[in-house]
Amino acid sequence: QVQLQQSGPGLVKPSQTLSLTCDISGDSVSSNSAIWNWIRQSPSRGLEWLGRTYYRSKWSTDYAVSVKSRMTINPDTSKNQVSLQLNAVIPEDTAVYYCARARTRGHFDSWGQGTLVTVSS
Amino acid sequence: DIVMTQTPLSLSVTPGQPASISCKSSQSLLHSDGRTYLYWFLQKPGQSPQLLIYEISSRFSGVPDRFSGSGSGTDFTLKISRVEAEDVGVYYCVQGINLPFTFGPGTKVEIK
Repeated sequence: QVQLQQSGPGLVKPSQTLSLTCDISGDSVSSNSAIWNWIRQSPSRGLEWLGRTYYRSKWSTDYAVSVKSRMTINPDTSKNQVSLQLNAVIPEDTAVYYCARARTRGHFDSWGQGTLVTVSS
Repeated sequence: DIVMTQTPLSLSVTPGQPASISCKSSQSLLHSDGRTYLYWFLQKPGQSPQLLIYEISSRFSGVPDRFSGSGSGTDFTLKISRVEAEDVGVYYCVQGINLPFTFGPGTKVEIK
């Protein structure tokens, strides 16, 4: 049974970098049958898919256009985790952030517990 | 981006009665591989979303058979045959055919 445990600060100042980590147990970040996603939820934007990374002989990463210039998703095979960095945050980035595993496309079958990140000075 | 719409946005149901939620996509979700990438999730109060239905009508592991999905192309429906108290929450449809994956606005289901 896969479990995803998220960690990271709940408060980030505007213009700084939001960093979150998703620790994976019960699966491998480099599994050939898993895709690791980041999704956020806010009252104004609802649920919003942000990006994903996966390993199929090599690593691939995709991002939503809305965050592509500011976001980095990195797998860490030594720690079996996936991280999210969002640069130059603005108050509109305030949301609950989730990591989620997918078997394919939108098949998000396991979710982290969610991390509320508030962007405020 | 593909736009997902849901109706109704809220639903109040008597326990034991059926419920139905409609989801429409701005483009067909039928992929050239023959599969239709439409999913349903339930977010219970205070919890992360959980997968209920994948590819229109397949129930995810552990999902009760009172939940069923149907539809094709751009029109989809989630039905609960007999609503139970534990079914309260917000239901979302999601498309997985194109990036970025997009979610519907959600349908809030409450018990009368």
